[in-house]
Amino acid sequence: DQQVKQNSPSLRVQEGRISILNCDYTNSMFDYFLWYKKYPAEGPTFLISISSIKDKNEDGRFTVFLNKSAKHLSLHIVPSQPGDSAVYFCAASSGSARQLTFGSGTQLTVLP
Amino acid sequence: DSGVTQTPKHLITATGQRVTLRCSPRSGDLSVYWYQQSLDQGLQFLIQYYNGEERAKGNILERFSAQQFPDLHSELNLSSLELGDSALYFCASSVVGRSLDGYTFGSGTRLTVV
Repeated sequence: DQQVKQNSPSLRVQEGRISILNCDYTNSMFDYFLWYKKYPAEGPTFLISISSIKDKNEDGRFTVFLNKSAKHLSLHIVPSQPGDSAVYFCAASSGSARQLTFGSGTQLTVLP
Repeated sequence: DSGVTQTPKHLITATGQRVTLRCSPRSGDLSVYWYQQSLDQGLQFLIQYYNGEERAKGNILERFSAQQFPDLHSELNLSSLELGDSALYFCASSVVGRSLDGYTFGSGTRLTVV
C-alpha cells in the first residue's frame, strides 16, 4: 500500500518554462511534507518542505503547494534550468513517526 | 560531500551470502536511518537508530539486521541474500530523531546479488 504516490515517472520541460511535479498521499495523519532531489550516483538531497498548517512555501525558484482536502502537493520550478534535471522524490511524515515515507520519484529532464 | 559516508559503494555477491554495509553519520548527528531503493521504486524505510538504540522499524526482513555503535556509526547486515535483495541501500542521518529536521543522505551502496 503506497501511502505516497508520484504517478508521473518522468517529465520533460523546456529550459525557462515551468516544471510542475505532483504528489498524492493517502494517510491523513501526515502533517509534514518534503521534496528531495537526486542526481545519479548521489544520495537524495533536501530541497524544500511544507508543514500542513501552510498551503504554500517558496524558496527561490522552488515553490511547494499543499492541498490538504485533495491530499495533494506539487512542486513548481520556475524557471526550469538544465541543472534541475534529476529525480525528484516527494516524502511525508506524521507527528508521531520518526521516518519519512517516500514516493517512487519523478525523473525531470530540462531540455536546453 | 554530504558528510554521511557509506562503504562500500558497490558490492557484488552470490545468493545465500551475507554482507555488511557501513554508514558513518554526519558529525553531530545522533540518528541514523536505513532505506532501500529497488529498481523503479521509491525509498523504502528499513530501520532507524538514535544514539545507539533502535527507534523505529519499517519493512525490514528478518534476514536483515542493523546496529549503531558507541561512535554512532551504523552497520546493516544482510544475510541469506536473494536476487531480489539487489538494490541501492541508503543511509541518512539527522541531529535528532525527528524527520522534521530533514535527513542528510549518503551516496548509497549498490548491492548486486548474482
